[in-house]
Amino acid sequence: KAGVTQTPRYLIKTRGQQVTLSCSPISGHRSVSWYQQTPGQGLQFLFEYFSETQRNKGNFPGRFSGRQFSNSRSEMNVSTLELGDSALYLCASSGGLAGVWNEQFFGPGTRLTVL
Amino acid sequence: GESVGLHLPTLSVQEGDNSIINCAYSNSASDYFIWYKQESGKGPQFIIDIRSNMDKRQGQRVTVLLNKTVKHLSLQIAATQPGDSAVYFCAEVHNAGNMLTFGGGTRLMVKP
Repeated sequence: KAGVTQTPRYLIKTRGQQVTLSCSPISGHRSVSWYQQTPGQGLQFLFEYFSETQRNKGNFPGRFSGRQFSNSRSEMNVSTLELGDSALYLCASSGGLAGVWNEQFFGPGTRLTVL
Repeated sequence: GESVGLHLPTLSVQEGDNSIINCAYSNSASDYFIWYKQESGKGPQFIIDIRSNMDKRQGQRVTVLLNKTVKHLSLQIAATQPGDSAVYFCAEVHNAGNMLTFGGGTRLMVKP
């Protein structure tokens, strides 16, 4: 069974631009979560999508958004990039059953550098 | 590696020794606690979890201990191997299992 895949693996953008990152979950998984990892703040939860709906959201500004498609693939978008958005963006997929702990499987991440 | 931070506490152990990695958590209402391992260039990998109503859980070469009184979690790795070198994160599960809150991480270095 293929793991979680993220594209692209590396990305360089300049301030003010926008970026879209993609995540393909493990086959059969319906939940996709996004996390931001930086040296200063560590791993922080961005949002979770389940069945094309945002189900949970972390404390990030509205410049960070996402969506999920009917095949469970997900994209996240960051608009008006700032230097502080430079980070490793991780995607995790799980079965997403409500009310229980669902093991989350992480992809390798997309390294975004904002210049 | 691209996935590790610059300001992580580091634990250095000799190959074959036991390692103990500690974590303090914040939310006494968390249902599950999980340990993840992150190697350079990779995403976090699940190691072991423990439910909040348990004190101890054992896996292959790993043991997790939960002390709810002082909100403390530890990961014990027996007979540490070079392949165990990585950054280890604890995480709490919130919102019915769909959101993880991660600790700051500890870098484990295994000396041959």
